[in-house]
Amino acid sequence: DAMVIQNPRYQVTQFGKPVTLSCSQTLNHNVMYWYQQKSSQAPKLLFHYYDKDFNNEADTPDNFQSRRPNTSFCFLDIRSPGLGDAAMYLCATSQTSGSSYNEQFFGPGTRLTVL
Amino acid sequence: GENVEQHPSTLSVQEGDSAVIKCTYSDSASNYFPWYKQELGKRPQLIIDIRSNVGEKKDQRIAVTLNKTAKHFSLHITETQPEDSAVYFCAASVLRGGNKLVFGAGTILRVKS
Repeated sequence: DAMVIQNPRYQVTQFGKPVTLSCSQTLNHNVMYWYQQKSSQAPKLLFHYYDKDFNNEADTPDNFQSRRPNTSFCFLDIRSPGLGDAAMYLCATSQTSGSSYNEQFFGPGTRLTVL
Repeated sequence: GENVEQHPSTLSVQEGDSAVIKCTYSDSASNYFPWYKQELGKRPQLIIDIRSNVGEKKDQRIAVTLNKTAKHFSLHITETQPEDSAVYFCAASVLRGGNKLVFGAGTILRVKS
């Protein structure tokens, strides 16, 4: 009964070679988030979709892009990965409306290695 | 924007003792405060949360208190066990600029047996 699924769990790419990480959910939540987490640090929000509305964080590099073709799926594209992009990438979802905020459910993450 | 500070960064306790982790936030509009536990190599998992209309919430050995006036909230773990060892993150909701959480920097909790 997986709720937030991320594929692949481990991804190895070469410096500068584009990579796409995927996230899917069975919860039918309206908000989907992408976080970057480096060792011993808090998850860092890259961007999120509130329904179809894209919300980018001010300090997210242009190298990171996202797509949400439908409610269930969200993708993270790294156009030209650098060594500093090696990290765990976490997808999360929540059902949020107006001023009511609810729990974020995290996926298991994708560990990205850049060679 | 919202800023969440978390203390201490590391905490070591003896098994059976209590552990307290504190967070402060800056945005008075924040109304949802979750605590996540993250074990090594695993995803963050919600352990308890509190909304701004409540001052305290308890779930077995875990409790959270919220002081809206002072803008701080705390996690209390009683009768700690070795399996409580993990990284704990507090967070506060932000409704301006989207619906998102701002996380504290995390606390590494070590429970010594």
